[in-house]
Amino acid sequence: DQQVKQNSPSLSVQEGRISILNCDYTNSMFDYFLWYKKYPAEGPTFLISISSIKDKNEDGRFTVFLNKSAKHLSLHIVPSQPGDSAVYFCAAPREGYGGSQGNLIFGKGTKLSVKP
Amino acid sequence: ETGVTQSPTHLIKTRGQQVTLRCSSQSGHNTVSWYQQALGQGPQFIFQYYREEENGRGNFPPRFSGLQFPNYSSELNVNALELDDSALYLCASSYGINNQPQHFGDGTRLSIL
Repeated sequence: DQQVKQNSPSLSVQEGRISILNCDYTNSMFDYFLWYKKYPAEGPTFLISISSIKDKNEDGRFTVFLNKSAKHLSLHIVPSQPGDSAVYFCAAPREGYGGSQGNLIFGKGTKLSVKP
Repeated sequence: ETGVTQSPTHLIKTRGQQVTLRCSSQSGHNTVSWYQQALGQGPQFIFQYYREEENGRGNFPPRFSGLQFPNYSSELNVNALELDDSALYLCASSYGINNQPQHFGDGTRLSIL
């Protein structure tokens, strides 16, 4: 039972254009979402998060949108740069933010390639 | 500020052996979570340690066990290794059991022959 789904294994984008990475979830209890970026041979690095009380959170070139009714979130990167090439994971705390356990449920990831 | 460090970086074992992986949490963090990342998959939660006690466990058999020490560093032990245990093992730390985000180390790549 995959509670966090990233249905696109890969995405290729031209430098300077927008990258849109998608994530769907099935558990209505999820109230907080995180995006992590992972380069080969490195651990996941936190990128940006969003609480379910918001529908948008922005940090520089990165914006995350949350559509609670559709149980869908997306990460927008504008403009995309070659250094953004990495695997991006969507994740949510199993029991919601502030629950008794902090384990994160991850999607399978989307590999983004930004071509110069 | 020192980040999360894991050792060793790579490890090769054979079926049936036992392995111990180590993790030092980021300075100021008192909670450590362990994840297994198989090839082509997202990280899967193994267990979490808070104040030297296990606080939650994922769908992993008892041969996966752990410890947390008074300095908040942690060990993951796996007994009776199986081929399917080949994966990247990630350690993440945070301050508090459900404080986000968790900060990850670079992982230990375990290969079982």
